[in-house]
Amino acid sequence: DAGVIQSPRHEVTEMGQEVTLRCKPISGHNSLFWYRQTMMRGLELLIYFNNNVPIDDSGMPEDRFSAKMPNASFSTLKIQPSEPRDSAVYFCASSQVRSFTYEQYFGPGTRLTVT
Amino acid sequence: TQLLEQSPQFLSIQEGENLTVYCNSSSVFSSLQWYRQEPGEGPVLLVTVVTGGEVKKLKRLTFQFGDARKDSSLHITAAQPGDTGLYLCAGAQAAGNKLTFGGGTRVLVKP
Repeated sequence: DAGVIQSPRHEVTEMGQEVTLRCKPISGHNSLFWYRQTMMRGLELLIYFNNNVPIDDSGMPEDRFSAKMPNASFSTLKIQPSEPRDSAVYFCASSQVRSFTYEQYFGPGTRLTVT
Repeated sequence: TQLLEQSPQFLSIQEGENLTVYCNSSSVFSSLQWYRQEPGEGPVLLVTVVTGGEVKKLKRLTFQFGDARKDSSLHITAAQPGDTGLYLCAGAQAAGNKLTFGGGTRVLVKP
C-alpha cells in the first residue's frame, strides 16, 4: 500500500518565483497536514484539513503561503513570491480523524531551496 | 500554546550503551507518540501511548507515559548504529486531531 506521496522531492528556485508543492495522502485518510522543518525551528505545523476543509491555518507564516485541498486525494501548498527564508523541508502527513490516537503518517518531504 | 520539551537535544554514545530521551510538558495529553526520522526522510511512527503509567516495548526500545499524562520517556537498550536518527515526541489533545511536536533529540550511535 502506497504511503503519502510528495512531489517534487527537491526544488531549487530563485527569489520571487512561485513554488507549488504537491501531496497525495494515504487512501482512506481524511486529515491532511502540512509541516515545515528547519534546524532552527524544528517541525512546525502550517495548516491542516479535515475532510478537505481547512481547519487551522494559524501556522501559515504570511499571505505568501496558501494551501488547497480540492479533493480527498490531493493537496497543494503554494508560496508566491518565494523568499530565501522559505528554504526548508516541507512535509505532508495524513491521518484518520476517527482514530482517537491521531497517528500521522508522513511523506518523504520536499526540500526547497530559494536562492 | 502547549509545548513539549525534549531532552537532551543531542546524544552521542557508543554501540552497546543504553540511552534515555525525555519528553516533558506542563499540559495533559490524551495520547503521546514517538517518531524516528532518518536523514532525507519523513518521521516514522514508532509507538503511541494512551494510558497514564503505560509502558510499551518494541524490541530494544521501551516507552513510558507518565502517570499524569504530561511526560514520556524513551529508553534504548544496547543501542546500535541503526538507532541513529532524530527522535520526536508528539502529543494529542482531547479535542481536535492536531499534534504538538517536541523539538527532537538527535541520537548518534557510533560503532
